[in-house]
Amino acid sequence: KQEVTQIPAALSVPEGENLVLNCSFTDSAIYNLQWFRQDPGKGLTSLLLIQSSQREQTSGRLNASLDKSSGRSTLYIAASQPGDSATYLCAGDLYRAGNMLTFGGGTRLMVKP
Amino acid sequence: NAGVTQTPKFQVLKTGQSMTLQCAQDMNHEYMSWYRQDPGMGLRLIHYSVGAGITDQGEVPNGYNVSRSTTEDFPLRLLSAAPSQTSVYFCASSGYTGELFFGEGSRLTVL
Repeated sequence: KQEVTQIPAALSVPEGENLVLNCSFTDSAIYNLQWFRQDPGKGLTSLLLIQSSQREQTSGRLNASLDKSSGRSTLYIAASQPGDSATYLCAGDLYRAGNMLTFGGGTRLMVKP
Repeated sequence: NAGVTQTPKFQVLKTGQSMTLQCAQDMNHEYMSWYRQDPGMGLRLIHYSVGAGITDQGEVPNGYNVSRSTTEDFPLRLLSAAPSQTSVYFCASSGYTGELFFGEGSRLTVL
C-alpha cells in the first residue's frame, strides 16, 4: 500500500525567503504526483502535476521535482509572500486513474510579513 | 465554467438519518471520486468512478453508497448516519491528464 509522508508538518518563515517542502512516498511505481494548496475552510487547488516520465514542473514561483528512485518529491517556493500561507499537500497516483490518490498529511505554511 | 460543484456546503444530521451529498462537474471528466478529510487522518478515498455506470470502493467505503448515471453527476449517499461520519467531504474529478479538481467541500455534523 502506498504511503505518503510530508515533513515538516508546519513551517513558519519570514516574507521573501525561499523554501522547500518535502514529500516522500513508498512505492516507486507511482504514475504521477500532484501538489495541492488548501486554504482554511476551502477545497484543494491543484498547483502542479508531475507525470512519471517527467522530473519537474514549474509554475510561476513554484517548482516541483520528482525522483522516483528515491521516493521523493519537493515543492520549491521562491520569494515567499504572506499570500502563500496555506496548507500544502502532495498526493501520489499509482493507477493513472487520477482519482485514486494517496495523500500526505500536509505542511502548514505561515509566511510572516 | 463552474468546475466541481458540491451541495450542500453545511449539513447537520441526527444519528440514523440518511442524506445525499450532491456533486456535479462541467468539465466532461471521466473520473470522479469522493474523499473525506478528518483531523489527523488526512484525506481518504471513499468511492470512485471511472465513467458513467462504473463505480468502485476506495479506502473507507462502509456506510456510503454511490451511483454514476451520467458523466456530470456523482452523488454520495449516507444510508444511516453515525457520529463517526462527521467530517468534511470533498468531491473531485479528473480527465485524461490525471490532474485532480476539487469542489469546495461539504461539512457534515452527525449528532
